[in-house]
Amino acid sequence: EAQVTQNPRYLITVTGKKLTVTCSQNMNHEYMSWYRQDPGLGLRQIYYSMNVEVTDKGDVPEGYKVSRKEKRNFPLILESPSPNQTSLYFCASSSGLAGLNEQFFGPGTRLTVL
Amino acid sequence: AQKVTQAQTEISVVEKEDVTLDCVYETRDTTYYLFWYKQPPSGELVFLIRRNSFDEQNEISGRYSWNFQKSTSSFNFTITASQVVDSAVYFCALSGIVYNQGGKLIFGQGTELSVKP
Repeated sequence: EAQVTQNPRYLITVTGKKLTVTCSQNMNHEYMSWYRQDPGLGLRQIYYSMNVEVTDKGDVPEGYKVSRKEKRNFPLILESPSPNQTSLYFCASSSGLAGLNEQFFGPGTRLTVL
Repeated sequence: AQKVTQAQTEISVVEKEDVTLDCVYETRDTTYYLFWYKQPPSGELVFLIRRNSFDEQNEISGRYSWNFQKSTSSFNFTITASQVVDSAVYFCALSGIVYNQGGKLIFGQGTELSVKP
């Protein structure tokens, strides 16, 4: 089954404790990205990757890091989480740029930073 | 700049009523795509439709229909004979071709639809 998986689905952590949210897709997609969803703001792109070893900032990259060492994986790293990073996070992938190709979204990761 | 506005934050209807969710967009692109996604209470994003800027034909899929009007930069979504299972947050999104660094989707704020029995 074609899918995007994220782990963990739920996470409660404390300020400053490094964490990684994993994202994996099994569709051999080149393009992957991370979004965060906040009430009243919709979803906003954090980082994206056009292909392996190619990553770039989206609209709200502060406080986040990503890597793309393998085509299927695109982890989101919070080196020192803060309460304003409490949000619902979605990973997405597509065979090309959004719009030209359907984006497949993961199930979401709900993060709470205390 | 690219922007999507969903002015209706919350809508509440009674089952079997028709409801229209508004979406207005701004873009400098001449080629762009518009989307609607549904987010049920379980939280996942469900793809509903994608339209390109050259195709202004309205689309109907069962109880769902979409009205794309370039003249007013709107892409409205109508649910006919609403059902309780339609209760969700609905997002309108835009993706341009040229003025879109990162190839991202630009989402509206979302409209929370509540359908009461």
